Amino acid sequence: DAGVIQSPRHEVTEMGQEVTLRCKPISGHNSLFWYRQTMMRGLELLIYFNNNVPIDDSGMPEDRFSAKMPNASFSTLKIQPSEPRDSAVYFCASSLGVGSNQPQHFGDGTRLSIL
Amino acid sequence: KNEVEQSPQNLTAQEGEFITINCSYSVGISALHWLQQHPGGGIVSLFMLSSGKKKHGRLIATINIQEKHSSLHITASHPRDSAVYICAVKWGRGSQGNLIFGKGTKLSVKP
Repeated sequence: DAGVIQSPRHEVTEMGQEVTLRCKPISGHNSLFWYRQTMMRGLELLIYFNNNVPIDDSGMPEDRFSAKMPNASFSTLKIQPSEPRDSAVYFCASSLGVGSNQPQHFGDGTRLSIL
Repeated sequence: KNEVEQSPQNLTAQEGEFITINCSYSVGISALHWLQQHPGGGIVSLFMLSSGKKKHGRLIATINIQEKHSSLHITASHPRDSAVYICAVKWGRGSQGNLIFGKGTKLSVKP
């Protein structure tokens, strides 16, 4: 079965450019999560959706970050304008249901480097 | 604010050894996750606990709600167990948000 699919796997771009990260959750999963991982701060939850609706975006660092989920099979995380401190690995995860007893399935991540 | 502390930060073991990784948190939670991050970066969810103990193969996870502490045990460790193990706690009401992560424990198992 296909797992969570993220694209691109790697992104290198210059400061000030717009960056769009993409995620396809596991079919049938109705919760989707975006995480950021850095050496300094470890893993952080940025935002999560339930049934395509953003539930908690308190982890989104600032207005330069935005996330959308136009349908059940696709989500984007956008950074505009990008800055070097946004360099990190961004993970997407999905789960079935909203209860805390549901495991999250992670994508392979997008390694983002802002020069 | 919930603080999540893991110990040790780094752990080196010989193949076959019994391994314990600890996670402590400061505020009452509704669930605790153990994640495994492979050297290549991929993350796998190992366990979710709200009480008691869970076992999967050579992995055992326990949680003591009163003491705000969880342990992940690996029996008969193997070099393929080498990874970073991350503890995450869910606190507050509502659905799966409010996940707070520990910094991880880097495990190296030598043959």
